[in-house]
Amino acid sequence: ETGVTQTPRHLVMGMTNKKSLKCEQHLGHNAMYWYKQSAKKPLELMFVYSLEERVENNSVPSRFSPECPNSSHLFLHLHTLQPEDSALYLCASSQDRARGGGRGRETQYFGPGTRLLVL
Amino acid sequence: DQQVKQNSPSLSVQEGRISILNCDYTNSMFDYFLWYKKYPAEGPTFLISISSIKDKNEDGRFTVFLNKSAKHLSLHIVPSQPGDSAVYFCAASYSGTYKYIFGTGTRLKVLA
Repeated sequence: ETGVTQTPRHLVMGMTNKKSLKCEQHLGHNAMYWYKQSAKKPLELMFVYSLEERVENNSVPSRFSPECPNSSHLFLHLHTLQPEDSALYLCASSQDRARGGGRGRETQYFGPGTRLLVL
Repeated sequence: DQQVKQNSPSLSVQEGRISILNCDYTNSMFDYFLWYKKYPAEGPTFLISISSIKDKNEDGRFTVFLNKSAKHLSLHIVPSQPGDSAVYFCAASYSGTYKYIFGTGTRLKVLA
C-alpha cells in the first residue's frame, strides 16, 4: 500500500450504531488529520494529531471520537450520529517539521475518503 | 465567514487552451497557499503550492500566481488536457496553525 488509505470507503449506519473509520498512512509522516466535507461546503478540519498527541479539536461534537495509537494510524469512532453528519470524511497526513525541530509544516496528503450515510 | 472563496463553481475550456482558476482570500495572515485536484470517489490530490514570499511558482503545465495586495490566487493550466477535468480546490494556511482553509472548489471540464 502506498500513500494514505482509508477503510471503509462507504458506510451506512443508523443513529444508534457505533462504527469506526480507519486511516493508515504509508508516507512516514508524523501528523494526521480528520476532515469533513459536506455537500456544497468546503472541507472542514475536525482533528489534528501530531506525534500521536491531539493538537487541534475544531469544536467537533463528542459523538465523534478520534484515536491515534501511533503515527501511522488514525481512527474516528462514531456513535449516536445524526443524519446531518452524513458526509465524506477525509484523512490526511503531513510531516510536522515544527514539532520535529524543523522550520515548518509540509503539505497535507489525503486519503480517498469514507462516504458516510446516517439514516 | 468564508475566508477562502472560489467564486466560479464551474469552468469549461477547450483542450489545448489555457485554464485559469481563481481564488480570493480575506485573511492577510495567510502565508501558504495550495491547489488540490479531486476526481470523483477519490481524495484531493496535491498539485502545487506557493508561499507568500513568492508571487509565482511553476511545475510543468501548472503555474500558481499570488497577488498579495489583491489577496488573489490563480492556477493556470497550459495546455489543458481532458484528464485535467476535475474539481480544483484552493487552500490557505498560516504559520502557527495546522489548519488549512479550503475554498468550495471549481469544477473544470476540458472539452476534447
